[in-house]
Amino acid sequence: DQQVKQNSPSLSVQEGRISILNCDYTNSMFDYFLWYKKYPAEGPTFLISISSIKDKNEDGRFTVFLNKSAKHLSLHIVPSQPGDSAVYFCAARPPGNEKLTFGTGTRLTIIP
Amino acid sequence: NAGVTQTPKFRILKIGQSMTLQCTQDMNHNYMYWYRQDPGMGLKLIYYSVGAGITDKGEVPNGYNVSRSTTEDFPLRLELAAPSQTSVYFCASSYGREETQYFGPGTRLLVL
Repeated sequence: DQQVKQNSPSLSVQEGRISILNCDYTNSMFDYFLWYKKYPAEGPTFLISISSIKDKNEDGRFTVFLNKSAKHLSLHIVPSQPGDSAVYFCAARPPGNEKLTFGTGTRLTIIP
Repeated sequence: NAGVTQTPKFRILKIGQSMTLQCTQDMNHNYMYWYRQDPGMGLKLIYYSVGAGITDKGEVPNGYNVSRSTTEDFPLRLELAAPSQTSVYFCASSYGREETQYFGPGTRLLVL
């Protein structure tokens, strides 16, 4: 039972344009959501997070949007840069819980 | 400050062999985690620890054992390697229960 789903295994975007990565979840107990970025042969690195009390969180070129009613979140990268080419994982956890549930990842390729 | 380090980077095991994957963090984090990532899949939690002397099972603990004798170290033991344990293993740590998890670079394990 995949509680966190990333339905697009890959995405290609032109440099300078907006990249939108999507994530859906089924567990209504999740109240904190994170995006991790992973380069080949490296471990995931934390990118941005959002609590369920918010619907948007921004950090520079990265914005995460949360739609609780649809159980959907998205990561927007504007403008996209070649260094953004990586695999992006969405993750979620319930309140007061250290255990993260990860999605299967989306490989983002930025085309110069 | 090295963060989370893992050794070895890569290992080939024969079926039935045993090995220990090492994980060390120098951030004085209380929480430590072991994940595995199979091709095309998200990270799945194997075991975690909330402090020295305390460990607990994650989502996929069968075939593995852990110990946490110090704050810094959290080794993962495979007693009887099986082909199904071929995967990339990531160790992570966090200061608190709901704090950001920082990942090591991973250990790629191939069981033949």
